[in-house]
Amino acid sequence: GEQVEQRPPHLSVREGDSAFITCTYTDPNSYYFFWYKQEPGASLQLLMKVFSSTEINEGQGFTVLLNKKDKRLSLNLTAAHPGDSAAYFCAVSQNYGGSGNKLIFGTGTLLSVKP
Amino acid sequence: DPKIIQKPKYLVAVTGSEKILICEQYLGHNAMYWYRQSAKKPLEFMFSYSYQKLMDNQTASSRFQPQSSKKNHLDLQITALKPDDSATYFCASSPRKISNERLFFGHGTKLSVL
Repeated sequence: GEQVEQRPPHLSVREGDSAFITCTYTDPNSYYFFWYKQEPGASLQLLMKVFSSTEINEGQGFTVLLNKKDKRLSLNLTAAHPGDSAAYFCAVSQNYGGSGNKLIFGTGTLLSVKP
Repeated sequence: DPKIIQKPKYLVAVTGSEKILICEQYLGHNAMYWYRQSAKKPLEFMFSYSYQKLMDNQTASSRFQPQSSKKNHLDLQITALKPDDSATYFCASSPRKISNERLFFGHGTKLSVL
């Protein structure tokens, strides 16, 4: 089955720096990709959903790049601030009609942004 | 104002006992799910339900039994609890059970089995 590897497990940056997180996956049938943010004691909140290859998707203060050729998904937090401190998870969903929404999650990255 | 309510938030149980984790969603969604997050593993898919019917079961043990009494309820009964069951259990929902829809997550129930 699909395996999703996420790096790094822990990341500490200073306010204003960039924070870069990468996930690699194995199944070429993976079709939809998600980034979730989990603040301490809170539920997972969706940051972005992508499915187009090698497309840079821009959100508020971050960009997401999907490279299907390399089976790589990345999240870049630009100019991180302390409010970005949280756990970040990538997730992959395959395009099987009967198995939709069986998300396979990465192991997570615990980001700490210091003032 | 949370739209997916999980009860209780924290739960302590003794080995061998049985517990029920409650989940109710008020988003009008037709699909509901259970995921587990433990210290040793990433978030793991457990079950999916669509219109109160079990669609997918990735849990090897029959000790875990989802129960859907209403369309917006999906409880999780765990019997013969073991210390390895200690984890945070997340309930989630989506409008429909298709691949490209985002999931909405509850705040989780943190279960500790002594």
